Amino acid sequence: AQTVTQSQPEMSVQEAETVTLSCTYDTSESDYYLFWYKQPPSRQMILVIRQEAYKQQNATENRFSVNFQKAAKSFSLKISDSQLGDAAMYFCAYSFNTGTASKLTFGTGTRLQVTL
Amino acid sequence: GAVVSQHPSWVICKSGTSVKIECRSLDFQATTMFWYRQFPKQSLMLMATSNEGSKATYEQGVEKDKFLINHASLTLSTLTVTSAHPEDSSFYICSASSIARGGELFFGEGSRLTVL
Repeated sequence: AQTVTQSQPEMSVQEAETVTLSCTYDTSESDYYLFWYKQPPSRQMILVIRQEAYKQQNATENRFSVNFQKAAKSFSLKISDSQLGDAAMYFCAYSFNTGTASKLTFGTGTRLQVTL
Repeated sequence: GAVVSQHPSWVICKSGTSVKIECRSLDFQATTMFWYRQFPKQSLMLMATSNEGSKATYEQGVEKDKFLINHASLTLSTLTVTSAHPEDSSFYICSASSIARGGELFFGEGSRLTVL
């Protein structure tokens, strides 16, 4: 079975600084997808970024980028120029295949605090 | 992005009663919907996968007779918690996917159930 591990229950970053959230996963598959979701206090899950395992290039979305290390099964999220609005729970997630809407397996989450 | 709406957003019920939660895809046809459960300060746990016009597939440990899922149309899935008990109190989140949209998942706002 696939598992997703987030070893940092809480992280804190000062506004405008950079923070990295860690995620490791375990799978025997070679073709899969990885995601980072943000859950603000409103509880609405918001997709931050996604990475296809077959792509070597790390995904980026504005201030958000990932460091995908397939051999190490590591998928960290870097948030640059942190903003107060980035404060939320961040979940790393794995999907075997999203071409036909496969289910997501979530990590336990990292609560990110952004301070002034 | 696509919109997925859940209703009600918050419901309180007495122990022993049944509660229905609706999940609607407002601007796309969802061939697959997923129901998750999230306990306070915990991750999302997949309960079941719902495909339009067929029976839901439940995850191990989820009682299908207690959590009835119906996906009668391409825009609506319902989760009915039957004979609810206080331990069923939780946050329930649905997500919807469409093959036409490349299988990307869109999440509802969630429904908080409190059973007295």
